[in-house]
Amino acid sequence: DGGITQSPKYLFRKEGQNVTLSCEQNLNHDAMYWYRQDPGQGLRLIYYSQIVNDFQKGDIAEGYSVSREKKESFPLTVTSAQKNPTAFYLCASSIVRTENQPQHFGDGTRLSIL
Amino acid sequence: GNSVTQMEGPVTLSEEAFLTINCTYTATGYPSLFWYVQYPGEGLQLLLKATKADDKGSNKGFEATYRKETTSFHLEKGSVQVSDSAVYFCALNEAGNNRKLIWGLGTSLAVNP
Repeated sequence: DGGITQSPKYLFRKEGQNVTLSCEQNLNHDAMYWYRQDPGQGLRLIYYSQIVNDFQKGDIAEGYSVSREKKESFPLTVTSAQKNPTAFYLCASSIVRTENQPQHFGDGTRLSIL
Repeated sequence: GNSVTQMEGPVTLSEEAFLTINCTYTATGYPSLFWYVQYPGEGLQLLLKATKADDKGSNKGFEATYRKETTSFHLEKGSVQVSDSAVYFCALNEAGNNRKLIWGLGTSLAVNP
């Protein structure tokens, strides 16, 4: 079955540490997205990429970095500059060639501070 | 700018009750509209969508009609089940090449047996 795989499901970060969240998709989608979800705040876009080797900042990119070296993969690094990283992180992908296409989501990674 | 406003939750219903979750939007042009559902501890799943005025999206007993005159896309279900307990998100896709979704804050639904 095609889908989006996020790993790990739970992740703990120490002070001053960078951590990387994995997102892999086998849907052959061009676009991939990273969202942060906090209680009562809905989804906020961190970064998105519509093509390999290109990505754009979303609404809350500070303290995060991404890469898009392969179509299937869009890892997110939470750097030590992100002072409040505790949240639920969701990766999504979508077709770009045609309009009105929905985004497909992974099951998320929950990041906590030690 | 474009925005989506959902009714605040939590919404608590008894099994077999009628459900309405309101969603209104502000957008230029003709956006596509979506409802997503998030079950506890999981990612989001597309529930239904509508791409033009007067379209009705439907899935699993849920329905929503794209009303351009009232800029609304309210989610309805005639008889909810305990398994419908989840958070529901309304979203719009801006017309054009920008593929970003604009999200509502989500409405939590709890259905009691």
